Amino acid sequence: QKEVEQNSGPLSVPEGAIASLNCTYSDRGSQSFFWYRQYSGKSPELIMFIYSNGDKEDGRFTAQLNKASQYVSLLIRDSQPSDSATYLCAVTGGSYIPTFGRGTSLIVHP
Amino acid sequence: DVKVTQSSRYLVKRTGEKVFLECVQDMDHENMFWYRQDPGLGLRLIYFSYDVKMKEKGDIPEGYSVSREKKERFSLILESASTNQTSMYLCASSSQGAIYEQYFGPGTRLTVT
Repeated sequence: QKEVEQNSGPLSVPEGAIASLNCTYSDRGSQSFFWYRQYSGKSPELIMFIYSNGDKEDGRFTAQLNKASQYVSLLIRDSQPSDSATYLCAVTGGSYIPTFGRGTSLIVHP
Repeated sequence: DVKVTQSSRYLVKRTGEKVFLECVQDMDHENMFWYRQDPGLGLRLIYFSYDVKMKEKGDIPEGYSVSREKKERFSLILESASTNQTSMYLCASSSQGAIYEQYFGPGTRLTVT
């Protein structure tokens, strides 16, 4: 059974700080890694994906992947109250069906 | 922009009723998915389809069936609704060229009483 683990939180950070969200996965054959953002009462929205070891930056977001340690993280720089949401980590392996973590709730307070 | 729509935002049904949830996508995506999302349990895959008339079971198919007669439409059917099927149901689609990148509909909150 493939597992994707996330700390449920909530993770609380002050406005302007860096928020660090972490995800670990059990399947060493995992190939693709995704971060979705889900606002309360809304559906998940894809914000980042990463396939190779290292960092991938997109605006204020950086995804970091370490396949040897089987973790993927999402850094949000200059956090804003509008970043307050639940962040879902998703991982795919040989099939194209992602396995989702349960999500980490992020609260950015002014 | 990918658009995935679902037939209802909120639905209330009685135990034993047959329930149809409809999902339509307008981006000619080959793959479509049905999930349910429950507090503390995250997103769980019910069924998916990678082509018209094709379907595959996900992690929790019991009590559900699906239908995909047209490429753009994927229906989830609860044959005999039960209270433990009260949940948020999310439809998603993805293309063959970017099969891992799923786009979600707004969700249907189903309550079975």
